[in-house]
Amino acid sequence: GENVEQHPSTLSVQEGDSAVIKCTYSDSASNYFPWYKQELGKRPQLIIDIRSNVGEKKDQRIAVTLNKTAKHFSLHITETQPEDSAVYFCAATMSRALTFGSGTRLQVQP
Amino acid sequence: GAGVSQTPSNKVTEKGKYVELRCDPISGHTALYWYRQSLGQGPEFLIYFQGTGAADDSGLPNDRFFAVRPEGSVSTLKIQRTERGDSAVYLCASSAQGVNSPLHFGNGTRLTVT
Repeated sequence: GENVEQHPSTLSVQEGDSAVIKCTYSDSASNYFPWYKQELGKRPQLIIDIRSNVGEKKDQRIAVTLNKTAKHFSLHITETQPEDSAVYFCAATMSRALTFGSGTRLQVQP
Repeated sequence: GAGVSQTPSNKVTEKGKYVELRCDPISGHTALYWYRQSLGQGPEFLIYFQGTGAADDSGLPNDRFFAVRPEGSVSTLKIQRTERGDSAVYLCASSAQGVNSPLHFGNGTRLTVT
């Protein structure tokens, strides 16, 4: 069936290092790819999104890249800070609603 | 302005009981979604409304689950004959322009079935 695979499930980095999270999707018709950050006990919040007509998008320390041919997209966080510690979810439009990955728990060590 | 509001924030019920979860979306958002999130998992799609009608209910796990949005604003998710496996956080989200626009989530309702 349609799904979104996300890797790694956990990621630990030192403060100031970069973090990369990768996702693959199955539906070649998908055209919208957001990333959400969820802190413990809180709601998921959108941090960046990309559409299929764009290969890369950047917002300060956060960037997303999309490879439609390979059906994968990635989140890049540079100069990580302790407040970046959270669970990150990728998502892709599948048929008519967003399908989410299983999440990556990012831990930034001070 | 106000975000997506969900009530109650917590609900504890006994196995076999009926529950209703309410979602009040951002004013003017025509699209409304229900997701379910279990511990350590991503949100799992349940149902999507565009206006008053259910545009996609393919995520509802079985016929014990039902949702309505009679006036195109507030939505209620209804679960009959609750089971322990229904325990999860139920998230509601709304968007201004449908599935290819950002979802704004509420804080969720944590449902515990004992």
